[in-house]
Amino acid sequence: GEDVEQSLFLSVREGDSSVINCTYTDSSSTYLYWYKQEPGAGLQLLTYIFSNMDMKQDQRLTVLLNKKDKHLSLRIADTQTGDSAIYFCAESIETGGFKTIFGAGTRLFVKA
Amino acid sequence: DTEVTQTPKHLVMGMTNKKSLKCEQHMGHRAMYWYKQKAKKPPELMFVYSYEKLSINESVPSRFSPECPNSSLLNLHLHALQPEDSALYLCASSHASGGTTNEKLFFGSGTQLSVL
Repeated sequence: GEDVEQSLFLSVREGDSSVINCTYTDSSSTYLYWYKQEPGAGLQLLTYIFSNMDMKQDQRLTVLLNKKDKHLSLRIADTQTGDSAIYFCAESIETGGFKTIFGAGTRLFVKA
Repeated sequence: DTEVTQTPKHLVMGMTNKKSLKCEQHMGHRAMYWYKQKAKKPPELMFVYSYEKLSINESVPSRFSPECPNSSLLNLHLHALQPEDSALYLCASSHASGGTTNEKLFFGSGTQLSVL
């Protein structure tokens, strides 16, 4: 079956690192994604990782993938108040066509 | 142009009304999607069009009727909706590269729909 799980809330101080975790169930997923949603807006793709990679770094963002445990994490270095948003983990699966399944989303609150 | 444009941004309709949501992209993407998002929930897939053909319908009630007139446009026709259909409706597009599951989605800002 297809399921993506995330913790629902994370609060950090400005300047600290944030780590958002996700677990997924579909072992056939070849790509995993992190999307960001600010209030009143659509989702914005932040980064993605191919399943044969363990890590991907993109400026302040680091994605870690443990394929054995089906665990994905997003680390945001030097978190800023502008990073306050909901972060969705997602996997892309094939089911007669490709579709993206989203986790419940983690609400990140950054305290100044 | 890297935008997906949705209109209207807000819509209030009665249960007997007929209305349409519109979505447009000019990135040359060949896959377009409708998602429904309730407050504090993740987006739920409704429909996928690939090369202007409906490829996925996630058992959506017939009161929602999608249409893809061409590769740049996607509509969602609404008729006889229920109050529980009130939600944010998001349109997205992707390259539809074929043979790969790396379908990076580009989202519009959504239409906030209220059904009275």
